[in-house]
Amino acid sequence: DAKTTQPNSMESNEEEPVHLPCNHSTISGTDYIHWYRQLPSQGPEYVIHGLTSNVNNRMASLAIAEDRKSSTLILHRATLRDAAVYYCILRPYSNSNSGYALNFGKGTSLLVTP
Amino acid sequence: KAGVTQTPRYLIKTRGQQVTLSCSPISGHRSVSWYQQTPGQGLQFLFEYFSETQRNKGNFPGRFSGRQFSNSRSEMNVSTLELGDSALYLCASSLVGTSGQETQYFGPGTRLLVL
Repeated sequence: DAKTTQPNSMESNEEEPVHLPCNHSTISGTDYIHWYRQLPSQGPEYVIHGLTSNVNNRMASLAIAEDRKSSTLILHRATLRDAAVYYCILRPYSNSNSGYALNFGKGTSLLVTP
Repeated sequence: KAGVTQTPRYLIKTRGQQVTLSCSPISGHRSVSWYQQTPGQGLQFLFEYFSETQRNKGNFPGRFSGRQFSNSRSEMNVSTLELGDSALYLCASSLVGTSGQETQYFGPGTRLLVL
């Protein structure tokens, strides 16, 4: 599986935008980029995913570099509730029933201060 | 819709014992995956079940096993418990599609302490 690299930790002020980077220089052409986050004392939750184009949803935006070797998860206005570990995960496209396993790395621990 | 539920939420066992953890997926989800989370190793994939068959398996010893029932509920079993098995065990369910990009929905986990 292609590997991702994320900073161990980041800090942000409440109500400020947060840009969480992820490097994936060995990404293949069919790998999708997924982001999950894990709030304290909870299971992980899905945030967003994309392939080539930038993506937006109610939680965040995903900006993907033109060469796809890096991506950035953008939280437009951080709240205290966004303090969590954020995981950037690559998932290959599959048109067969080959199963589903997420390869979590260490992720980025985001601290949000008031 | 109700989310993924896991029982029990907390469990204390002693070395050498065995344990069974239960997971009920979201209604309509047919794939159930299990993960182990420890401070040292992070989140690691254990196995995945679909239609009562194990479809994927992570790199864990044979003491870790699982099964899935016809209603998609799943159980995992750990035999001959070791201190290092103390962890948060997470279950996740997903719809099965053809792109491999389905969202996984996680339960709150079962925290196992082995003494």
